[in-house]
Amino acid sequence: AQKITQTQPGMFVQEKEAVTLDCTYDTSDPSYGLFWYKQPSSGEMIFLIYQGSYDQQNATEGRYSLNFQKARKSANLVISASQLGDSAMYFCAMREGLIYNQGGKLIFGQGTELSVKP
Amino acid sequence: GAGVSQSPSNKVTEKGKDVELRCDPISGHTALYWYRQSLGQGLEFLIYFQGNSAPDKSGLPSDRFSAERTGGSVSTLTIQRTQQEDSAVYLCASSLVGQGSSPQHFGDGTRLSIL
Repeated sequence: AQKITQTQPGMFVQEKEAVTLDCTYDTSDPSYGLFWYKQPSSGEMIFLIYQGSYDQQNATEGRYSLNFQKARKSANLVISASQLGDSAMYFCAMREGLIYNQGGKLIFGQGTELSVKP
Repeated sequence: GAGVSQSPSNKVTEKGKDVELRCDPISGHTALYWYRQSLGQGLEFLIYFQGNSAPDKSGLPSDRFSAERTGGSVSTLTIQRTQQEDSAVYLCASSLVGQGSSPQHFGDGTRLSIL
C-alpha cells in the first residue's frame, strides 16, 4: 500500500491566485512528521515546510501553509499568491518513528507538477 | 560551498561496469542519505547513515549496491555490474540529525546513464 499518495499528477493555477496540493498518508505510527519539497526543472530538491503529528497548529512558512487534518490523514500544501517561479514538481514526504527518535529516512509521494500561468 | 556536493554530475557507462558516486554533506550534519529518482518518479530511499551507528541499508535494491561513509563525512555509493535499470538520478541528502523535524538538504544529484 502507498504510504504517501498525491492524487494530482498535474495542476494549473493563475498567477497571484492560491493553490492547494493534496497529500494523504498512511501510517499506524502515532509519531510522525510530514515534509513538503519543491523540485524545479533544474533538479534540486528544496525543503519548504514541516508538520509534526503532535503539533497543535498548522505549519506556515511565508506563502506556504499546511492544511493538516490528522483524522483524515491529509497534509495539503497551500501556496498563496502564486508566482511564476512556483512552477515546479512538489513532493510530500513522511518520516515515521519520531517519538523514539527512530526513523530517519523519508518516504516520498509521486509528486504533483504545478504550472503557474501568467 | 555551503550545500551538499555530489560528483560527478553526470555519468555515462556501459552495462556491466562498476560506478562510484560521491557525496560531500553539509559540514556538521551527522545524518546522510542516498535516494534514487527514476524519470518522472518520486524518490526511492536507498541507505541512511547516522553518526557512528550501523547504517540503515533497507532500501538497497540488490547486493550490487553498497555505500560507505568515511570519517563521518564523505560518502560513496558504489554500484557493481551496472544494469540498464540502474539508470536514474542518484540524490544525496544530509541533515543536522536523522530524527524529528530536522529537514534533509539535497545535493544536485548524479545523473547515471547505463548504455
